[in-house]
Amino acid sequence: SQTIHQWPATLVQPVGSPLSLECTVEGTSNPNLYWYRQAAGRGLQLLFYSVGIGQISSEVPQNLSASRPQDRQFILSSKKLLLSDSGFYLCAWGDNSYEQYFGPGTRLTVT
Amino acid sequence: GQQLNQSPQSMFIQEGEDVSMNCTSSSIFNTWLWYKQDPGEGPVLLIALYKAGELTSNGRLTAQFGITRKDSFLNISASIPSDVGIYFCAGPTSGTYKYIFGTGTRLKVLA
Repeated sequence: SQTIHQWPATLVQPVGSPLSLECTVEGTSNPNLYWYRQAAGRGLQLLFYSVGIGQISSEVPQNLSASRPQDRQFILSSKKLLLSDSGFYLCAWGDNSYEQYFGPGTRLTVT
Repeated sequence: GQQLNQSPQSMFIQEGEDVSMNCTSSSIFNTWLWYKQDPGEGPVLLIALYKAGELTSNGRLTAQFGITRKDSFLNISASIPSDVGIYFCAGPTSGTYKYIFGTGTRLKVLA
């Protein structure tokens, strides 16, 4: 069966510091991968998605970037965090069935 | 752009009652997904719908793909305390693997 991992689970970072969140998927090949952000009590905002290695689509102009160095690895990065980057970051994977499955999330607090 | 509106935004119900919620769009969707999110966790896929008029059940949950392809419905029968959470509808935008999520329905159950 497929599993999706995200780490770290929680992170507190000062403004201006760099960020790297990692997501890996097991049990499937060539998945579509996604990064979402969720503000407290709000819906999910799609940040990036990837349909293959090195293919990244950015949905929201912002302080973040994404990379897919391996088939089942998706990384969310920032060179300098802003207060507004705080939130709950969710990685997800999907396949050609159009079903999408989420990881456990990373709670990021920028101070 | 495409948007998904969920109704109601929140609801309190008595344990044992049935619950109905819906999701509407101004655009056609070819797939509807329903998720439940518990606090601090990633959304969990409950039901996926692929055909207009389709009715699919998962335990006490039943979801329907609207005939117009612009709406979907989720019913929960005999609610229990663990049904508490936020329910999201979602769907891929036409011809892509990019997903739009609804605004969410927050369910609170009174024991």
